[in-house]
Amino acid sequence: DIQMTQSPSSLSASVGDRVTISCRASQGISNSLAWFQQKPGKAPKLLIFAASNLHSGVPSRFSGSESGTDFTLTISSLQPEDVATYYCQKYNTVPPTFGQGTKVEVK
Amino acid sequence: EVQLVESGGVVVQPGGSLRLSCAASGFTFDDYIMHWFRQPPGKGLEWVSLITWDGGSTYYADSVRGRFTISRDNSKNSLYLQMNSLTTEDTAFYYCTKPAHYADYLPESWGQGTLVTVSS
Repeated sequence: DIQMTQSPSSLSASVGDRVTISCRASQGISNSLAWFQQKPGKAPKLLIFAASNLHSGVPSRFSGSESGTDFTLTISSLQPEDVATYYCQKYNTVPPTFGQGTKVEVK
Repeated sequence: EVQLVESGGVVVQPGGSLRLSCAASGFTFDDYIMHWFRQPPGKGLEWVSLITWDGGSTYYADSVRGRFTISRDNSKNSLYLQMNSLTTEDTAFYYCTKPAHYADYLPESWGQGTLVTVSS
């Protein structure tokens, strides 16, 4: 099975900072990569699909990019409501696997 | 608006069985593959199982194959997960999900989750 390795596992940044989270696939997955946001006690929410496409209703400060098997989620200006755990997920084949998650906190 | 409402999560003893249900609304249920995912409290997300639109094909994670059975009733817009031979490793929030129309394995919509606790 394809493994998804996400880093860092946690980070702390100030409001207004630029934040980047990385995700690496163990094999090629084309651009079949999504990012999810999960706030405490809630179900995950889709942010980005196809590596760089913003899901409906997601603020434009979120963006995604890809380079081969490396993928990045960027929050251009961190807001207090962005405190959450972020997961990448590959969805080209079964099983659709997730990275380990990155917990984002505000200083 | 898509709505997915899971039910059936309870505390069960190791070795026990449980059936989860998911009531779907707001979309044409039998047009979609449906999935179950799970998340142990404080841990990451894991895909559990999927079923094709007509129930003709099912797939399972290695960790549950042979113990869990996914099924659906399209006349009731409902998805199910029969869970047998439960162990403490199965303790988790279980989520019913609907995929995006453009990607069968991308969980676009999620229910609120139902907590299964396996404990003696």
